[in-house]
Amino acid sequence: EVQLVQSGAEVKKPGESLKISCKGSAYSFTSYWIGWVRQMPGKGLEWMGIIYPGDSDARYSPSFQGQVTISADKSISTAYLQWSSLKASDTAMYYCARKDDYGDHTGYWGQGTLVTVSS
Amino acid sequence: QPVLTQSSSASASLGSSVKLTCTLSSGHSSYIIAWHQQQPGKAPRYLMKLEGSGSYNKGSGVPDRFSGSSSGADRYLTISNLQSEDEADYYCETWDSNTRVFGGGTKLTVL
Repeated sequence: EVQLVQSGAEVKKPGESLKISCKGSAYSFTSYWIGWVRQMPGKGLEWMGIIYPGDSDARYSPSFQGQVTISADKSISTAYLQWSSLKASDTAMYYCARKDDYGDHTGYWGQGTLVTVSS
Repeated sequence: QPVLTQSSSASASLGSSVKLTCTLSSGHSSYIIAWHQQQPGKAPRYLMKLEGSGSYNKGSGVPDRFSGSSSGADRYLTISNLQSEDEADYYCETWDSNTRVFGGGTKLTVL
């Protein structure tokens, strides 16, 4: 069974850095893109970007370009979402998601990582 | 780039049917979409892929009560025999070579 397992909740202060992870299992990690989706409190889903783990080609939505870094380590089947300097407005639930087997849409979701940024 | 429009809320009675709509922006009426369900406090769950022809393919374990259909730029998700666990937010998703977007989501209340 395909699984995406994300790292645990984080509480950080503004200006701190952070890297959260998403480990894929039970499939060929390099064969499917993995993406990150933000959900701010009480709001809808927003695509941040995706990465093709085979060659680490990362594509970002315009709103998130330059604000975060998406990376992957195919040796351990893990994708990452990273911030160099967190802001209070980065407080949100972050989900990783994987391409479906039968199209370019999202077919699998991680359980989510809650990031809280507060002084 | 494509834009998806969804009604913010819908409601229907237990045991009845409801049809949720996702509308593609002008120039994108042929696009394939996907429907996702997010129950309160949970991660989203993939429901189905839906083509402009109305053909759909459901994810693993999605009940038969869920079906899809299309008309022009509109993509529909119909839920029959509504159950209490169907009370959730429903999102549509689409993409092209440069972008990937969700609709704003529809909050479904089961009365």
